[in-house]
Amino acid sequence: QSVLTQPPSVSAAPGQKVTISCSGSSSNIGNNYVSWYQQLPGTAPKLLIYDNNKRPSGIPDRFSGSKSGTSATLGITGLQTGDEADYYCGTWDSSLSWVFGGGTKLTVL
Amino acid sequence: EVQLVESGGGLVQPGGSLRLSCAASGFTVSSNYMSWVRQAPGKGLEWVSVIYSGGSTYYADSVKGRFTISRDNSKNTLYLQMNSLRAEDTAVYYCARAVYTGGWYFDLWGRGTLVTVSS
Repeated sequence: QSVLTQPPSVSAAPGQKVTISCSGSSSNIGNNYVSWYQQLPGTAPKLLIYDNNKRPSGIPDRFSGSKSGTSATLGITGLQTGDEADYYCGTWDSSLSWVFGGGTKLTVL
Repeated sequence: EVQLVESGGGLVQPGGSLRLSCAASGFTVSSNYMSWVRQAPGKGLEWVSVIYSGGSTYYADSVKGRFTISRDNSKNTLYLQMNSLRAEDTAVYYCARAVYTGGWYFDLWGRGTLVTVSS
């Protein structure tokens, strides 16, 4: 069982918007920045969002991140079939370990 | 080109040992925080270990006492020595570079190497 809680799956139609939640505690999300990773089928994870809401170079502004208290949210607008992937949140924990969410599978219907 | 390339995975019997390597190019391993992250078949990501630029090391409870992270500065390579392997250690092992800009995150990942623990 993961320290950070994510919904197992979300789905939406092409062109629509979807949000993925990530819930933690004061020992992790509450006192640290959150990052998000996209893992396309059969590939390594890729950084999508860092420091709660910043996008690395090359990541389109359709992807956004936010954080409030002990929860974080990833938003994706203008959904494309190429966005179908697993999405993971992650952050540092006060137990001196890095923690990931269990992952959310996005299906673009 | 900035990249990480893992190697050393394979099939090993329960109780056996294996050493994974992660060769870095385009940056210096010893100047960065470097981690190993694994993913069991069909499962999510699990952080395994980190080595700080200063040399401090930390481990997930699931591997503490069995795995050792290290680096060879002359070869610009990260290692993971895995001993007393168990079936539940079966996973793709990724090495990743950790960056700090206010918060920590993994900005560079290798393609991974598969470790299978089975008799």
